[in-house]
Amino acid sequence: EAGVAQSPRYKIIEKRQSVAFWCNPISGHATLYWYQQILGQGPKLLIQFQNNGVVDDSQLPKDRFSAERLKGVDSTLKIQPAKLEDSAVYLCASSTGLAGGSGEQFFGPGTRLTVL
Amino acid sequence: GESVGLHLPTLSVQEGDNSIINCAYSNSASDYFIWYKQESGKGPQFIIDIRSNMDKRQGQRVTVLLNKTVKHLSLQIAATQPGDSAVYFCAENRGSGGSNYKLTFGKGTLLTVNP
Repeated sequence: EAGVAQSPRYKIIEKRQSVAFWCNPISGHATLYWYQQILGQGPKLLIQFQNNGVVDDSQLPKDRFSAERLKGVDSTLKIQPAKLEDSAVYLCASSTGLAGGSGEQFFGPGTRLTVL
Repeated sequence: GESVGLHLPTLSVQEGDNSIINCAYSNSASDYFIWYKQESGKGPQFIIDIRSNMDKRQGQRVTVLLNKTVKHLSLQIAATQPGDSAVYFCAENRGSGGSNYKLTFGKGTLLTVNP
């Protein structure tokens, strides 16, 4: 079974520029998550989708971050404009989303963003 | 602030020894916990999970213990191998139930296995 795919793996931009990350979850997984992981810390949830609807975006800085999952499969996360403190690894994860099922989330390799 | 924390940020063990990684949580309503392993340059990888109606669960070379009285979670790795070297995170579920899982991660413990 193919895992969660993310691209690009690395991105370097200057502050105030825009950047977008792409995620393809495991086939059939209804729930998709975007996390931000700052160096030396655990992942922090930014947004959670169930199919193409947003379940939780309470920790998403909505003035600069946006995310979509239009067809309930792939998802993109965008930052516009980027700040120095956005330098982090952005992780995408997916889970089955079945009621009563395992809460295991499968993570992609992440995109390492450096903002200069 | 974060409610899921770890007692030790680093742990160094000899190959073949047993490792114990600890985690404290503060939300007594959390009903589900997961341990993840993260190697350098990779995403977190599921190790083992436990629900709050259990106090122990065993996997292959790993055991998770849950003490709800003191809100403490531990991961035990038997016969630690160099390939176990990684950062280990505990995460607690604060979802609303059903299929809604919302994980809060701690900062992690770096495990180093010396040959």
